[in-house]
Amino acid sequence: DAKTTQPNSMESNEEEPVHLPCNHSTISGTDYIHWYRQLPSQGPEYVIHGLTSNVNNRMASLAIAEDRKSSTLILHRATLRDAAVYYCILSSPGGSQGNLIFGKGTKLSVKP
Amino acid sequence: KAGVTQTPRYLIKTRGQQVTLSCSPISGHRSVSWYQQTPGQGLQFLFEYFSETQRNKGNFPGRFSGRQFSNSRSEMNVSTLELGDSALYLCASSLGAVLETQYFGPGTRLLVL
Repeated sequence: DAKTTQPNSMESNEEEPVHLPCNHSTISGTDYIHWYRQLPSQGPEYVIHGLTSNVNNRMASLAIAEDRKSSTLILHRATLRDAAVYYCILSSPGGSQGNLIFGKGTKLSVKP
Repeated sequence: KAGVTQTPRYLIKTRGQQVTLSCSPISGHRSVSWYQQTPGQGLQFLFEYFSETQRNKGNFPGRFSGRQFSNSRSEMNVSTLELGDSALYLCASSLGAVLETQYFGPGTRLLVL
């Protein structure tokens, strides 16, 4: 499975946008980009995923570079509840089912 | 729909004992995956079950085992506990295809003394 690289930590102010980067230079043409986050004392939760085009949902937006070697998770207005570890994960239709390969993720702190 | 539930939420055992953890998936989900989370190693995949069959397995010793029942509920068992088995054990359920979103439970925190 292709590897992702994320900053260890980031800080944001409440109600400001947050851009969380992820590098995946060895991504293959069929790899999807998934983002999960883990709030303190909880299991991970799905945030968003995409293949080539930018994606939006009620939680966040995912911007994917044209060459797909990087992507950015965008939280439009950070709240205190968004403080969590964010994981960028690649998965392929040909990969093994039920097996998400988590890296270290980015710990996002949100200041009031 | 009710979310993924795990029992017990907390557990304290001593070295050498065995432990069984339980996971009830979201209704209709047939895949259950188990993960171990430790501060040092992060989240690591243990195994995945689909329709009562183990479909994938991570790189853990044979002391870690699991099973899935016909109602998709799953259990994992760790025998001969070691101090290093202290961790948060998470299960996740999904419909079962590779790209399906996984829904995680709150985890069982196991402390081995």
